[in-house]
Amino acid sequence: DADVTQTPRNRITKTGKRIMLECSQTKGHDRMYWYRQDPGLGLRLIYYSFDVKDINKGEISDGYSVSRQAQAKFSLSLESAIPNQTALYFCATSDRQGGYTFGSGTRLTVV
Amino acid sequence: EDQVTQSPEALRLQEGESSSLNCSYTVSGLRGLFWYRQDPGKGPEFLFTLYSAGEEKEKERLKATLTKKESFLHITAPKPEDSATYLCAVQDSSASKIIFGSGTRLSIRP
Repeated sequence: DADVTQTPRNRITKTGKRIMLECSQTKGHDRMYWYRQDPGLGLRLIYYSFDVKDINKGEISDGYSVSRQAQAKFSLSLESAIPNQTALYFCATSDRQGGYTFGSGTRLTVV
Repeated sequence: EDQVTQSPEALRLQEGESSSLNCSYTVSGLRGLFWYRQDPGKGPEFLFTLYSAGEEKEKERLKATLTKKESFLHITAPKPEDSATYLCAVQDSSASKIIFGSGTRLSIRP
């Protein structure tokens, strides 16, 4: 089993729909992150969490929300999806030294 | 503001042709610099962490080096399977999160 599991792997949704991307990890790390990746823009941080009661905005949090349900689970929601949220989304986990382990990604298309 | 710039954006090499990828960074107190490899449609895979100027790390055909302003990823005698996007990232002294560069897309022709 993968250390970081993201579901779904691919999703096509319509503009205005609410969608949730889920992430679970078996690394036992406290820190979890959500990034989006767009061609030519690299990885941009959406939200991060250092423990179950900690939620922090990243550089591009508008239009997104997160929930840290447990140490191992961190979900990302798009309350009302729009086409420019079409991207590849990655969940990651890390220890305090910073070495990240990434999931395989969710390819989201908003039509 | 922390910033990471990678160059070139894309690099095409012949198999066996050695070269280097550059990562320039600006950070308020470097805690760590990271290199990742990313294959199409997959998540980044950790390669190296460098902590201080002068440090070097090696793995097969890859060697990462670090100065106070930049890092290089040297690729010696590359093979087609080394084709991927290579990402550089830095973590500042607050250790809160890491900032990624936009990557170098490396293509090795047989």
